[in-house]
Amino acid sequence: RKEVEQDPGPFNVPEGATVAFNCTYSNSASQSFFWYRQDCRKEPKLLMSVYSSGNEDGRFTAQLNRASQYISLLIRDSKLSDSATYLCVVNRPNSGYALNFGKGTSLLVTP
Amino acid sequence: NAGVTQTPKFQVLKTGQSMTLQCAQDMNHNSMYWYRQDPGMGLRLIYYSASEGTTDKGEVPNGYNVSRLNKREFSLRLESAAPSQTSVYFCASSEVPRGQRGGYTFGSGTRLTVV
Repeated sequence: RKEVEQDPGPFNVPEGATVAFNCTYSNSASQSFFWYRQDCRKEPKLLMSVYSSGNEDGRFTAQLNRASQYISLLIRDSKLSDSATYLCVVNRPNSGYALNFGKGTSLLVTP
Repeated sequence: NAGVTQTPKFQVLKTGQSMTLQCAQDMNHNSMYWYRQDPGMGLRLIYYSASEGTTDKGEVPNGYNVSRLNKREFSLRLESAAPSQTSVYFCASSEVPRGQRGGYTFGSGTRLTVV
C-alpha cells in the first residue's frame, strides 16, 4: 500500500462550484498532515495544515479522520485561480520530520 | 526575499558526467531535504538532513550523495549521471517544530536533463 494515496483526477468544475478531494495514508503513527498546492512547473507551496478537529481557512476546509486514516480538503466557491494540483502530505515518523507526498489531484476551474 | 535558493535552475548533462546541485536557506531552519519529482510519480525523498551534521537516506538515494555544509547549505551530488536521473529536483527546509505543525519551504527547483 502506498504511503499516501489520492485520486489523480482531473476534476473539472465550473467557477463557483464546491469540490472535495480525499486522501488516505498508511502509517498510523503519522502526526502531521498538510495540503500543498502546486502550480504547473512551480514548487509546491503550503496551503494549510490539517488538525484533528478540522480547520478552515477562508474558502478551504480540511478534515482529518485518524481512525480511518483519511484526510479531506473542501474548496467552496471555486475561483479560476484555484486551478492547480493539490498534494496531500503526511509526515514520516522517526525520520527527522521528512514528509511523504501524495501524487496530487489536479483541479481545473472553468469559466 | 527570505527563502530557499537553488542553483542552477536548468542543467543538461551527458551520461556519466557529474554535478552538484546547490541549496541554501536563510530562515535558520534546522532540517533540509532533497526531493525529485517525475511525471506520474509525485515527489520522492532522496536524502534529508534533520540537523546540521547529520544526513539520512530517503526513498530513492541510489546514485546520489549529499553534504550538509553548514546550517544554511545542503548540496546534492550526482557522481555519474544517468538518463534515469532526468527529473525536477526540489530542495526544501523546515523547522522541527515541537508541535510538528510547520510545513516545508521549497526552492524553485532544478530541471535536470541527462542525455
